Amino acid sequence: GAVVSQHPSRVICKSGTSVKIECRSLDFQATTMFWYRQFPKKSLMLMATSNEGSKATYEQGVEKDKFLINHASLTLSTLTVTSAHPEDSSFYICSGEPGTGYTDTQYFGPGTRLTVL
Amino acid sequence: SQKIEQNSEALNIQEGKTATLTCNYTNYSPAYLQWYRQDPGRGPVFLLLIRENEKEKRKERLKVTFDTTLKQSLFHITASQPADSATYLCALGESSGGYQKVTFGIGTKLQVIP
Repeated sequence: GAVVSQHPSRVICKSGTSVKIECRSLDFQATTMFWYRQFPKKSLMLMATSNEGSKATYEQGVEKDKFLINHASLTLSTLTVTSAHPEDSSFYICSGEPGTGYTDTQYFGPGTRLTVL
Repeated sequence: SQKIEQNSEALNIQEGKTATLTCNYTNYSPAYLQWYRQDPGRGPVFLLLIRENEKEKRKERLKVTFDTTLKQSLFHITASQPADSATYLCALGESSGGYQKVTFGIGTKLQVIP
């Protein structure tokens, strides 16, 4: 149980375009979802936390207008990288936290490799 | 400043031996600590969680200790197997503004040699 999927797994785009990444919890309801970014040989860096139906909370240094997060339902969150640039190339990973009774544990998706040319 | 340090970037160990990975932290007051496994190009997989009031947790061949005085956690894999080769991440969980915030270390790459 506790499976999270991400789509797409890999995406290559041109500089200036926008890319949407989907994160779905397949067998549980994720009251909270997290978005992380991981550069090679670096730790996962939390970008934002979102609760279903409310605005995401962004970490310091993360531009909310560039990284748009929508948590429309208890099983789906999307991250849109707007006007992507080569420095946005990274591994983006989402995770979901189930509700009451399963707090403090996050279940991660397989990640999305974004390459901006 | 806050820091999470995991021992050595890579750890090589002979199959069958016990692998011990270290996670040290400074300027954190974690309510809990987690260990994850991450394979190349994949998302982390949750392994174990230990809370601040717990000293030790076990799960099959895995054992985690948590010493809040030393600000250290040790992660042991007994009877290690080549399939255990991966990067292991420790993560500290804190309450921040009503949310649980988890901060990850950079990880230790474990290579189990047959």
